[in-house]
Amino acid sequence: GAVVSQHPSRVICKSGTSVKIECRSLDFQATTMFWYRQFPKQSLMLMATSNEGSKATYEQGVEKDKFLINHASLTLSTLTVTSAHPEDSSFYICSARYHSKLSNQPQHFGDGTRLSIL
Amino acid sequence: GQQLNQSPQSMFIQEGEDVSMNCTSSSIFNTWLWYKQDPGEGPVLLIALYKAGELTSNGRLTAQFGITRKDSFLNISASIPSDVGIYFCAGPGGGSNYKLTFGKGTLLTVNP
Repeated sequence: GAVVSQHPSRVICKSGTSVKIECRSLDFQATTMFWYRQFPKQSLMLMATSNEGSKATYEQGVEKDKFLINHASLTLSTLTVTSAHPEDSSFYICSARYHSKLSNQPQHFGDGTRLSIL
Repeated sequence: GQQLNQSPQSMFIQEGEDVSMNCTSSSIFNTWLWYKQDPGEGPVLLIALYKAGELTSNGRLTAQFGITRKDSFLNISASIPSDVGIYFCAGPGGGSNYKLTFGKGTLLTVNP
């Protein structure tokens, strides 16, 4: 089945540090990847849609200068949390969908990154 | 925007019991997806539904795409302890980027 790998699984760092999270589709090409944020006991909140070779599309209220997204290839998207602060601590999850014109292809998720800012 | 109402929010059941949860939407969907999330992990796709009235099984799991295209349910039969987790329904979030809208999840606890 489809596999999406996310790295690292956990990060603990000091306030002011920038943190990069990688999302890779291991056995399929993904022109579109998605970045979500999840707080405890809540559902997934879409932050941005990452499109290969073009700028990411951010959801309302998400700071694009704070959460930098790069989708340089069909199998890799990165999310960089710049100058992270304690309020950025959360569970970040990426997903990818098959390269297909069909609108109903499901998304497949990575295992998430637990980010803790001290 | 589109909203999904998922219920119940949580369930506490005994091992061996059957479980049912459902989602309703404020607008018509052409796809319904059911995911399960274990603690500290990403969601895993359980069942995908693409056609109104469709009934699909995956082992002890059965899901149906409502005939009105505004609802879906997920049933789990003969629950076991490893069924514990959060179950999310999801559907197309609109727009051209294939976004998903998620329900708020159903937390399932199974007592051995």
